[in-house]
Amino acid sequence: DAKTTQPPSMDCAEGRAANLPCNHSTISGNEYVYWYRQIHSQGPQYIIHGLKNNETNEMASLIITEDRKSSTLILPHATLRDTAVYYCIVRVFGNEKLTFGTGTRLTIIP
Amino acid sequence: EAEVAQSPRYKITEKSQAVAFWCDPISGHATLYWYRQILGQGPELLVQFQDESVVDDSQLPKDRFSAERLKGVDSTLKIQPAELGDSAMYLCASSSGTSGGPDTDTQYFGPGTRLTVL
Repeated sequence: DAKTTQPPSMDCAEGRAANLPCNHSTISGNEYVYWYRQIHSQGPQYIIHGLKNNETNEMASLIITEDRKSSTLILPHATLRDTAVYYCIVRVFGNEKLTFGTGTRLTIIP
Repeated sequence: EAEVAQSPRYKITEKSQAVAFWCDPISGHATLYWYRQILGQGPELLVQFQDESVVDDSQLPKDRFSAERLKGVDSTLKIQPAELGDSAMYLCASSSGTSGGPDTDTQYFGPGTRLTVL
């Protein structure tokens, strides 16, 4: 079973920041938080990962709470192409499989 | 940017027929994964290879599914015979597999093969 809880769907206006929450209250000390997204009929796309510090790359920012029981993925300026299902996954690094839940379906509204 | 290649992108077959899917991972990636994604659900692991060896095939229906990665590079997933319930997206992913940390362990996915069994 997936170790994360995400809202099933969210809407965001184009050009605004999209904030996607994820709860992972049973996360272990050696587990990382990974985010992937899947645009319709395509393979999942890696976005970002983190352990306990906040992370930023060219796609998004990842904010992890101090107790590590939840995190938020931030897309700073959402575009229509960001419409996708977003998956939050916790795993230990070292070739462990990804266990996907049902994710959050993000719809960007023009 | 290097990508995982998969073919075919779409496959329609009749039940009881044999089907095969091909995956070419990112060059130099030692670990290769096959996932299956049923419509409306997240992907689930079928089989994992480290080089040419199977690491995890606990979720692979071995009575009808087989997977190989003979030279530790590209891989083939076969279903024989196909059943109606096999209709799904079959995804291949790869990672460097060097266990150098999470930055080298990220899995990258191909575009998938969508299988429809009639």
